[in-house]
Amino acid sequence: DAKTTQPNSMESNEEEPVHLPCNHSTISGTDYIHWYRQLPSQGPEYVIHGLTSNVNNRMASLAIAEDRKSSTLILHRATLRDAAVYYCIPRMDSNYQLIWGAGTKLIIKP
Amino acid sequence: NAGVTQTPKFQVLKTGQSMTLQCAQDMNHEYMSWYRQDPGMGLRLIHYSVGAGITDQGEVPNGYNVSRSTTEDFPLRLLSAAPSQTSVYFCASSYISGERSSYEQYFGPGTRLTVT
Repeated sequence: DAKTTQPNSMESNEEEPVHLPCNHSTISGTDYIHWYRQLPSQGPEYVIHGLTSNVNNRMASLAIAEDRKSSTLILHRATLRDAAVYYCIPRMDSNYQLIWGAGTKLIIKP
Repeated sequence: NAGVTQTPKFQVLKTGQSMTLQCAQDMNHEYMSWYRQDPGMGLRLIHYSVGAGITDQGEVPNGYNVSRSTTEDFPLRLLSAAPSQTSVYFCASSYISGERSSYEQYFGPGTRLTVT
C-alpha cells in the first residue's frame, strides 16, 4: 500500500494561499492521488484528483512532483470556510475503496 | 438532487440492540458504501456495493450486514450492538462505469451512533 505522510495540522491567514503537503513515496505508477476534505461535523467532500500532471478546478490546484512521491494541494485564497481536515489519498483499491489516513487539520486565522 | 441522505442523524443504543441505518442517493450511482469514522481517525470501509443485488465486505465488516435491493438504497444493519461500534457512520456513492469518474465519491452527512 502507498503510505501517506501529512502534517497533523497547519495554520494560515485568511485570504492568503495555503500549500498542504503530502508524501506518498511508495505510490504505484497507476494510482491516482485524491484529495478530500471534511468540514466540522460533516461528511467528507471531494476536492481534486490527479495522476501525473498538475490539475486545477474551481476549488483548488494539485501540484504533483515529477517522481510522484509527493504532492501539494494549493488553496489559492483561503477563507474561514476552508477550515477543515484535508485528506491526501494516494490509493483507491480494486473495490473502489479509498484508503484514508488521519489528514491535516487546517486552521484559518481571520 | 438531494445527493446522499442518511437517517437518523443521531442514535443511542443499548448493548445487544439491533437497528438499521438508512442511506439513499438520487444520482443513479452504481457504487455505494458504508464507512465508519472513530475520533481523530480516517474512514474505514465496512461494506460496499457495485450495483443492485451485489454486496461485498470491506475492511471492518464484522457485526454489520447490508443489502442492495434497489440502486437508490443501501441500508446498514447492526445485528447486536456493542460499545466498540460507537462511531460516526458515513454512506457514500459514486459512478464506476463508462466515462463517468469513480474518483469523486459523494458522502452523506453521517449518523452519530453511541452504544452504551
